[in-house]
Amino acid sequence: ETGVTQTPRHLVMGMTNKKSLKCEQHLGHNAMYWYKQSAKKPLELMFVYNFKEQTENNSVPSRFSPECPNSSHLFLHLHTLQPEDSALYLCASSQVGARASPYGYTFGSGTRLTVV
Amino acid sequence: AQKVTQAQTEISVVEKEDVTLDCVYETRDTTYYLFWYKQPPSGELVFLIRRNSFDEQNEISGRYSWNFQKSTSSFNFTITASQVVDSAVYFCALSEIRRSKTSYDKVIFGPGTSLSVIP
Repeated sequence: ETGVTQTPRHLVMGMTNKKSLKCEQHLGHNAMYWYKQSAKKPLELMFVYNFKEQTENNSVPSRFSPECPNSSHLFLHLHTLQPEDSALYLCASSQVGARASPYGYTFGSGTRLTVV
Repeated sequence: AQKVTQAQTEISVVEKEDVTLDCVYETRDTTYYLFWYKQPPSGELVFLIRRNSFDEQNEISGRYSWNFQKSTSSFNFTITASQVVDSAVYFCALSEIRRSKTSYDKVIFGPGTSLSVIP
């Protein structure tokens, strides 16, 4: 059982739907990340939250909207997606700063999103 | 700019063979971390190893070993006596060493190498 939990594991949505992906970490980490993994492409960093503050938005379209209500939870709100947004969306967390974890990121199992 | 290259897109080996996954990186930083992650079919990325740039000592963990050569900017990963359970996508990654409490870990991933171990 990973310390980072993502739900749902699979999601199929129409282009006009609104849905949310959820990520929860129980590791006491202070930074959380959303990554997109498309077929045949490198992992793409989408958003970073550090101490609940968004510190990175890697030119992500506005149809993806992140939310970090506290240091343990991270959401990715989806609306009006396109078929090319179909991918595996991975959440990760890490501990940064003086007490940084030696293990780098801890990843969740991902949400496999299909946009039809 | 930072970049990680994994030239091998896909590798197939027969069980019990040894296999080496190549990783070459580029960075202007003098201190950095290198990582290897494993992504099995279930999807999550599993941490395998982190190496500091100032520690070039090679490491062995069971059937896994890593060869860090700073002179050639390479961090290769060898699996000895491969098993079917080793079938996965393996990612090499690079990050700066950040000590600031307000910064985050910016990790650059390579494109991955898909390893298939055939029984």
